[in-house]
Amino acid sequence: KAGVTQTPRYLIKTRGQQVTLSCSPISGHRSVSWYQQTPGQGLQFLFEYFSETQRNKGNFPGRFSGRQFSNSRSEMNVSTLELGDSALYLCASSLGSSYYEQYFGPGTRLTVT
Amino acid sequence: GENVEQHPSTLSVQEGDSAVIKCTYSDSASNYFPWYKQELGKRPQLIIDIRSNVGEKKDQRIAVTLNKTAKHFSLHITETQPEDSAVYFCAASSGGGADGLTFGKGTHLIIQP
Repeated sequence: KAGVTQTPRYLIKTRGQQVTLSCSPISGHRSVSWYQQTPGQGLQFLFEYFSETQRNKGNFPGRFSGRQFSNSRSEMNVSTLELGDSALYLCASSLGSSYYEQYFGPGTRLTVT
Repeated sequence: GENVEQHPSTLSVQEGDSAVIKCTYSDSASNYFPWYKQELGKRPQLIIDIRSNVGEKKDQRIAVTLNKTAKHFSLHITETQPEDSAVYFCAASSGGGADGLTFGKGTHLIIQP
């Protein structure tokens, strides 16, 4: 079974621009969570989607948003990019509902200049 | 919200010796505690997890223990090998999939030959 995939793998953007990242979960998984990883703050939870609904959201500004499609693929968007948004963005998929185990994708490395 | 503290930040052990990484959590509602291994430039990989109704779980050379009363859990790696060198993250969650994982800051495990 194929693992979690993310596109693109690397991205360079300029301050003030917006960016959209994509995540395809493991086949059959219906929950997708997004995390931001930085050297200073570590791994931080952004939000979680299940059956196209956001069930939970971490402590990030409204510039960070996401959505999930009927095939469980998910996208996250960051608007008005700031230098501090430079990070590795990881998505993780889970079967969903009451299943806990989360499996991570390879991440998208975003650099904001 | 949940807060997870992880110690030590760096751990160096001789090959063949044991390594122990400790985490504490603050939210008594947390009921799921996974451990992830992240090698340089790679995605976090789920290596073992434990739920609050279990005190200990083993998988070959890896074991995790949980003390709910003290709100701490530990990762034990026996007979360490060079391929165990990586950053290890503990995490906690209180929701079945809906709640995001709250991560510790990570432990850089170095296996000395």
